[in-house]
Amino acid sequence: SQTIHQWPATLVQPVGSPLSLECTVEGTSNPNLYWYRQAAGRGLQLLFYSVGIGQISSEVPQNLSASRPQDRQFILSSKKLLLSDSGFYLCAWSEPGGGVNTEAFFGQGTRLTVV
Amino acid sequence: GNSVTQMEGPVTLSEEAFLTINCTYTATGYPSLFWYVQYPGEGLQLLLKATKADDKGSNKGFEATYRKETTSFHLEKGSVQVSDSAVYFCALRTGRRALTFGSGTRLQVQP
Repeated sequence: SQTIHQWPATLVQPVGSPLSLECTVEGTSNPNLYWYRQAAGRGLQLLFYSVGIGQISSEVPQNLSASRPQDRQFILSSKKLLLSDSGFYLCAWSEPGGGVNTEAFFGQGTRLTVV
Repeated sequence: GNSVTQMEGPVTLSEEAFLTINCTYTATGYPSLFWYVQYPGEGLQLLLKATKADDKGSNKGFEATYRKETTSFHLEKGSVQVSDSAVYFCALRTGRRALTFGSGTRLQVQP
């Protein structure tokens, strides 16, 4: 069966420090991968999605970047964190080539607090 | 573009009360519709989905019917339990795009 791992679970970082969040998927090949952010009191905002190694689409301009160095690994990064980067970050995957009926499967999330 | 609108929360109910959480959408193309649930401190789990008009998705006593004429997908449960306390997200997908989510509705069920 497929599983998704996301770490760390919680993170407290000072303003201006770098960030690296990692997500890996097991049990499937060439999944579509996603990073979402959930800010306090707000819904889920799609940040990045990837349909293959090195293929990253950014949904919104921001202080963050994403990379996919391996088929089932998705990394969210920042060179210098801002206070506004605080939130709950969720990694998700869906079946490759999945159509309109395809659901997404989510990791447990990372609670990031920038201080 | 695609968008999902959910009713503002929190929704506070007593145990065994009837639940309705409203969800309406706009979409480019013919969407599939989803409800996800997020328990405290956790990621999202798929609760139910419907892929075409008049389909009814159901799971764990929750139901939602895909209403194309009103572009709605309201979530209902006949008798809520304390364990149903969570945040509920309505979402849609068109084509091969990523899921678009609503802002979420927090449900609090009191014993």
